[in-house]
Amino acid sequence: AQSVTQLGSHVSVSEGALVLLRCNYSSSVPPYLFWYVQYPNQGLQLLLKYTSAATLVKGINGFEAEFKKSETSFHLTKPSAHMSDAAEYFCAVSSNTGFQKLVFGTGTRLLVSP
Amino acid sequence: DTAVSQTPKYLVTQMGNDKSIKCEQNLGHDTMYWYKQDSKKFLKIMFSYNNKELIINETVPNRFSPKSPDKAHLNLHINSLELGDSAVYFCASSQVPGLNTDTQYFGPGTRLTVL
Repeated sequence: AQSVTQLGSHVSVSEGALVLLRCNYSSSVPPYLFWYVQYPNQGLQLLLKYTSAATLVKGINGFEAEFKKSETSFHLTKPSAHMSDAAEYFCAVSSNTGFQKLVFGTGTRLLVSP
Repeated sequence: DTAVSQTPKYLVTQMGNDKSIKCEQNLGHDTMYWYKQDSKKFLKIMFSYNNKELIINETVPNRFSPKSPDKAHLNLHINSLELGDSAVYFCASSQVPGLNTDTQYFGPGTRLTVL
């Protein structure tokens, strides 16, 4: 079965600092991977996704992620944090066959201080 | 012009009651989903419908019954509510059936509290 593990339930950064949120996957087949963001009291919104086309994926709001097969990782980064980035971030893996079924990680709360 | 909407936003009820949550999407998508997010923010799929047909049914108690009157609507009915049903329920939709790279669009969630 496919799964993702997010290391760190909370990550704190200062405004302007590098953001790094970690996600490792487990899959016996090449995975499709996603990062979703959940702002307070809102639904989830797609940040970016890896669909095997390119290993470095750029998303919205300046975020990007790199798929590294050798490390089974898909970490999310942003060069300079903004206060508005404070949110819950979820990594997810999709089934490869049949209808799409997303399996989410446990989430990482990003805290941004001035 | 909300893409995926849910009603109600908040639902507080007593144990043993029956309640429904409604979801509507105006994106023209064929596939809709229900997710449950628990108090630790863990998000898990419950059901998925494609054009009114059930395609994913996770190990959910049969007190939960989804209904899709048309492909733009997916409602969730819960019988005999229990304390453990307290959670935020999210509806989502996606455009292309069977496209495992497709983007899912989420509603704002319904916070259910069972007393």
